[in-house]
Amino acid sequence: KNEVEQSPQNLTAQEGEFITINCSYSVGISALHWLQQHPGGGIVSLFMLSSGKKKHGRLIATINIQEKHSSLHITASHPRDSAVYICAVTPSQGNLIFGKGTKLSVKP
Amino acid sequence: DAGVTQSPTHLIKTRGQHVTLRCSPISGHKSVSWYQQVLGQGPQFIFQYYEKEERGRGNFPDRFSARQFPNYSSELNVNALLLGDSALYLCASSPRTSGGLSGANVLTFGAGSRLTVL
Repeated sequence: KNEVEQSPQNLTAQEGEFITINCSYSVGISALHWLQQHPGGGIVSLFMLSSGKKKHGRLIATINIQEKHSSLHITASHPRDSAVYICAVTPSQGNLIFGKGTKLSVKP
Repeated sequence: DAGVTQSPTHLIKTRGQHVTLRCSPISGHKSVSWYQQVLGQGPQFIFQYYEKEERGRGNFPDRFSARQFPNYSSELNVNALLLGDSALYLCASSPRTSGGLSGANVLTFGAGSRLTVL
């Protein structure tokens, strides 16, 4: 079992839809990261959080430390949001552990 | 200010050859980490360097090595290449690390070096 699990693996949405991507982890962490990877490979850090909720534009990230679960929400999705979204955790001991990513495709 | 830069962007090697990948961190960032991302998978941690010292190593064979220079740039070296080493190699920098490990720092990634081993 992977230490960081994401769901769904693939997600297709219509423009304007509300999107949720989930991440569950099995280790103690000091932080959780949400990353965005576009075709070609470049990775952008969207959020780093250790508790509660963060919002940036149409993106919202939440984390429940007790349940070891985080969600990334995209409101009013747009085709330019199409990318792979990766959840990664910084364990209490050790280095970053990544999920396999969720491939999002937003259709116009 | 330039972001994290990696070179080369693409390269093709044959089995048994050696490869050197380079990474320049954001100015002021002292920590550099390397990741391997095989097609369809999430990145896997390879190394972290801070202040020119290795601070973490992932589960990779000794064919993989790295170093960090006084200007905080870094090289990743892979010897005796195998077909399975074909991947996107990502470098990330952060201002610091805490406790000798990757702390809760925001990472800035480079665009990656895509290695194909034939």
